[in-house]
Amino acid sequence: NAGVTQTPKFQVLKTGQSMTLQCAQDMNHEYMSWYRQDPGMGLRLIHYSVGAGITDQGEVPNGYNVSRSTTEDFPLRLLSAAPSQTSVYFCASSYRWTGELFFGEGSRLTVL
Amino acid sequence: DAKTTQPNSMESNEEEPVHLPCNHSTISGTDYIHWYRQLPSQGPEYVIHGLTSNVNNRMASLAIAEDRKSSTLILHRATLRDAAVYYCIFSGSARQLTFGSGTQLTVLP
Repeated sequence: NAGVTQTPKFQVLKTGQSMTLQCAQDMNHEYMSWYRQDPGMGLRLIHYSVGAGITDQGEVPNGYNVSRSTTEDFPLRLLSAAPSQTSVYFCASSYRWTGELFFGEGSRLTVL
Repeated sequence: DAKTTQPNSMESNEEEPVHLPCNHSTISGTDYIHWYRQLPSQGPEYVIHGLTSNVNNRMASLAIAEDRKSSTLILHRATLRDAAVYYCIFSGSARQLTFGSGTQLTVLP
C-alpha cells in the first residue's frame, strides 16, 4: 500500500526557475493538501482540495499554484522560485477533511 | 482563525505517563480536535482525534474538557520513541487543518 507519494524528495533550484512537486495517493481520498515547514517551525497550509476540480487557498498561497484534475493527483507548482520558498513541503490526504490526515515523506526544496 | 495554545516543550521520564495540554477556546461545536506528532525528519503522523467524549486508541488517550475549550493527550507509558513534536489542531470554520508550533516532548531514559 503506497499511501501518499511525493516526488522529488530533494530539489535545488535557482531563483526564478519554476518546478512542480508531485503528490499522488492511492487511497481514493477526496481531501488533499500541501503544507510547507520551515526549520524549527510548524506546518503552514499552502493550498488544499476537497475533491477533483476543486481547490482553495490556505494560509500561505502566494507563489504557488495547484490543480486537481484527478482524485489521485495534486501537484504543487512553483511559478518563479525565490529563496524564501526554501522549505520542506508535505503533501497530505484524507478520506474527508475532518478525518485522519496521511502525510507523504516530504520534499526538501532549496532555492539559491 | 483556528488557533490552539500548547506549551513549547515538556519533559517526561521513560515508562511514566505524559499529559500534553492544549487550549482551543475558539473551537465551535462541530470541530473535531486532532492530535498529530512529528518525529525528526519525518512527516506528521496521526495520533488521535475526537469531538466530545474521551477517546482511546492503541497509541494514546484524548481527554476533552466538558466545555471543549481544552483537551489533553495522554501517553500512558512514554518511551524514547515517543520523543517528538506533538500538534493539537482543529479545523475551524474553513476546511483546513492549521498546525501551530506544537509541543516538543523530550523523554528521558
